[in-house]
Amino acid sequence: DTEVTQTPKHLVMGMTNKKSLKCEQHMGHRAMYWYKQKAKKPPELMFVYSYEKLSINESVPSRFSPECPNSSLLNLHLHALQPEDSALYLCASSQEGGGARDSPLHFGNGTRLTVT
Amino acid sequence: AQSVTQLDSQVPVFEEAPVELRCNYSSSVSVYLFWYVQYPNQGLQLLLKYLSGSTLVKGINGFEAEFNKSQTSFHLRKPSVHISDTAEYFCAVSENDYKLSFGAGTTVTVRA
Repeated sequence: DTEVTQTPKHLVMGMTNKKSLKCEQHMGHRAMYWYKQKAKKPPELMFVYSYEKLSINESVPSRFSPECPNSSLLNLHLHALQPEDSALYLCASSQEGGGARDSPLHFGNGTRLTVT
Repeated sequence: AQSVTQLDSQVPVFEEAPVELRCNYSSSVSVYLFWYVQYPNQGLQLLLKYLSGSTLVKGINGFEAEFNKSQTSFHLRKPSVHISDTAEYFCAVSENDYKLSFGAGTTVTVRA
């Protein structure tokens, strides 16, 4: 069982829709991440929150809007997406201090997003 | 920037046979190396990591990897695979505290 929970597991949305992806962890981790993974490709980092503050934005288009309401929750708000945004969106978390280097990333099982 | 190259995109292997997945990295500074596994329809899971110390690193599920600084390699091995080891394997190097650079991945298919 994964300790990082993502909902929904699948999402189909039109290009004019607004939807949100949700991620939750109760391991006391203080860093949370959003990754995008296309089929047969490695994950690509999108955003990193550290202590509930956005610390990294990998030049992601503004149609993706992250939010970290508290240390356990991470959202990704979606608006006016394109079909090429269809992918698996993975959430991850790691302990404070060292982030991905000194403590492993714990991934959720992802949300498979299809934009029609 | 640091990067990793996974030399094999697909590795078919028979059950109970050994497997080696090759990974080379490029970096001019100290490196921190990782192997992650992604089972079908799941997120990634850490198999093992090298931060410092012993160059032979043991991980979960019987996997191990050897850090070779002179050859800039971090190859992953398992002496005897199971059907359940069928998955995608990613080598990764840490660029900073929060960013990993992943290799392109190696698909391991274990056949009976």
